[in-house]
Amino acid sequence: AQKVTQAQTEISVVEKEDVTLDCVYETRDTTYYLFWYKQPPSGELVFLIRRNSFDEQNEISGRYSWNFQKSTSSFNFTITASQVVDSAVYFCALSEKWINFNKFYFGSGTKLNVK
Amino acid sequence: DAGVTQSPTHLIKTRGQQVTLRCSPKSGHDTVSWYQQALGQGPQFIFQYYEEEERQRGNFPDRFSGHQFPNYSSELNVNALLLGDSALYLCASSLAQGSYEQYFGPGTRLTVT
Repeated sequence: AQKVTQAQTEISVVEKEDVTLDCVYETRDTTYYLFWYKQPPSGELVFLIRRNSFDEQNEISGRYSWNFQKSTSSFNFTITASQVVDSAVYFCALSEKWINFNKFYFGSGTKLNVK
Repeated sequence: DAGVTQSPTHLIKTRGQQVTLRCSPKSGHDTVSWYQQALGQGPQFIFQYYEEEERQRGNFPDRFSGHQFPNYSSELNVNALLLGDSALYLCASSLAQGSYEQYFGPGTRLTVT
């Protein structure tokens, strides 16, 4: 079973539209972390946010906001007033602990096209 | 503070050849993980090294092997290259104790022809 599911393969929006990228995860751990990364065409993964499993407060950073809901195992990402520079592939990831080492699981990514 | 560095940036190899990719972790980090990212997919975990030993391994064949050196840098070796090995190979470093974060390098893009 997939640990992290990003059901939206590709989304296209017009500049200034709001867009939400969905992420659903699966874990039996009580302590875990969730991440969002942006991957522009250059390929490097750019860290956007990290949330731990005990902090369900929504977070806003400029045009970016994140909605973490443990009840539905979701960690959705919203970009407000999208811009062309937001065009990239976005990955949601889950980090669990295995003995002393963290294990990272990535979703398959959502490609965002802003025109 | 230097982040994670990887070399080379790009590489072109022929089927059947062998390749070595290199990674230097972020300063202070002692654990290195390697990921394969095929075109249009998310990164897939290959293996993780700590104290010069492979600690975890994903679902990759034995053609994929690695090494970690005393200075924590790491190498990923792939033998008998297949066309399907063409991908972006990402290295990530972290602290073994008390950390859930990984810092990623820029990746090495391997093309097998």
